[in-house]
Amino acid sequence: DTAVSQTPKYLVTQMGNDKSIKCEQNLGHDTMYWYKQDSKKFLKIMFSYNNKELIINETVPNRFSPKSPDKAHLNLHINSLELGDSAVYFCASSQDRQTVLNADLVFGPGTRLTVL
Amino acid sequence: EDQVTQSPEALRLQEGESSSLNCSYTVSGLRGLFWYRQDPGKGPEFLFTLYSAGEEKEKERLKATLTKKESFLHITAPKPEDSATYLCAVQTGSGGYQKVTFGTGTKLQVIP
Repeated sequence: DTAVSQTPKYLVTQMGNDKSIKCEQNLGHDTMYWYKQDSKKFLKIMFSYNNKELIINETVPNRFSPKSPDKAHLNLHINSLELGDSAVYFCASSQDRQTVLNADLVFGPGTRLTVL
Repeated sequence: EDQVTQSPEALRLQEGESSSLNCSYTVSGLRGLFWYRQDPGKGPEFLFTLYSAGEEKEKERLKATLTKKESFLHITAPKPEDSATYLCAVQTGSGGYQKVTFGTGTKLQVIP
C-alpha cells in the first residue's frame, strides 16, 4: 500500500513543452507539498496546499502551477519547460500544516524530470 | 533567511566505526528539527523530530541530539545498510505559515 505515489517516475521532454506530474496520498493527510531536489541534492519547497488551499508558494516561476482537485491529490503542471527545470520533484504530505506536532513529512518516490 | 548547513558533505566509514554527522542552523523561531534518510532513487524517509535544546532521540544505531545552534546524528557501530544520504531540516514560522527548510545532506558510505 503506497502512502504517497507519483506518476510518472521518469519524464524526459524537450524544451518548450508542457508537462504534468501527478501525486496522490492515501493517508488522509490534510496538507500536501511539492519539493524540488537539484543535482546537488538540495531539497527546496515549492508549494504547500492545505485542504485544497494554497498556503506556501516559494518564489517559483509562474510556469509552475499546482492544482489540487481534492485533498488527496496535488498535481504539478509545468509550462514552457526550460533546461534548468531538470531535477527530481518530490510530492509529500503531512497530517496538517503544523508538521511539527505530527512529527513528519511523508514523501513520494520522486519524479526525475529531464529537459533536453 | 533560514539556513541549514550539514557537514561533512560525504563520510566514509568502516563497518563498526562510530561517527557523527552535524547539522548547524540559523533560523528565527525554530519549531522543530527533523532528520531524514534518503536512499538513491527514493524519497526521504523520516527518522526523528527534535523540538528543544537538550532533547535526544534514539533508533537502533542512530541517536540524534539538539542544541540551540546545531544537531548531531550519532551513528554507533554502523553497518553497510546504514549507507544513505542523511538530511537535516528545520521547521520555522507560526500560525498559518510554517516552512520546512532542508540542508544539502551528508552522504554516508559504510564499507564492510
